[in-house]
Amino acid sequence: DAKTTQPPSMDCAEGRAANLPCNHSTISGNEYVYWYRQIHSQGPQYIIHGLKNNETNEMASLIITEDRKSSTLILPHATLRDTAVYYCIVRVGYTGANSKLTFGKGITLSVRP
Amino acid sequence: DTGVSQDPRHKITKRGQNVTFRCDPISEHNRLYWYRQTLGQGPEFLTYFQNEAQLEKSRLLSDRFSAERPKGSFSTLEIQRTEQGDSAMYLCASSYGQGADGELFFGEGSRLTVL
Repeated sequence: DAKTTQPPSMDCAEGRAANLPCNHSTISGNEYVYWYRQIHSQGPQYIIHGLKNNETNEMASLIITEDRKSSTLILPHATLRDTAVYYCIVRVGYTGANSKLTFGKGITLSVRP
Repeated sequence: DTGVSQDPRHKITKRGQNVTFRCDPISEHNRLYWYRQTLGQGPEFLTYFQNEAQLEKSRLLSDRFSAERPKGSFSTLEIQRTEQGDSAMYLCASSYGQGADGELFFGEGSRLTVL
């Protein structure tokens, strides 16, 4: 029973920004938002995570709304290699907690030439 | 390559046979996880080790499934008396940390087909 809701699929044009939405309306104060992606026939790959501030790394940006009930993963310049299933996951962040990830079905991003 | 390694990558077996998968985590990672993934679904958590201790097992892990991590390094997942419903990708991941932080690094998986 995933705590996040994502649309099943979306597409974008190569070179354009891909904005992937995620709803997590029941998120708790000690839960982080994580994004992973899974390219066909590979294991999931970590992208980024955040608590309440926006985060950016070399792969993507994560924008979390002020009420923390939703977030958006932004791939600034999508390439064909970004075609994958993207998972938005909430995960408790306190010391000693079980660190497992609970995956939903994710959103399938298709980048078209 | 210093990533998570899984073996074998593919296994075809007949119903009723036993199979064993091995996972070698990233060196010095104290946590190891097993997941199962069927077509069109996200990975489902099976079990989790911190060092050699198995700290959590999912209800998905029936009595036919057993996982070990004897020395806190590599791990094995054995499925006894396989059934067709066991056909899936079995993913292993590892991480380092004391809290609930630390990204999980996944292997490429072991695909099981039960005929």
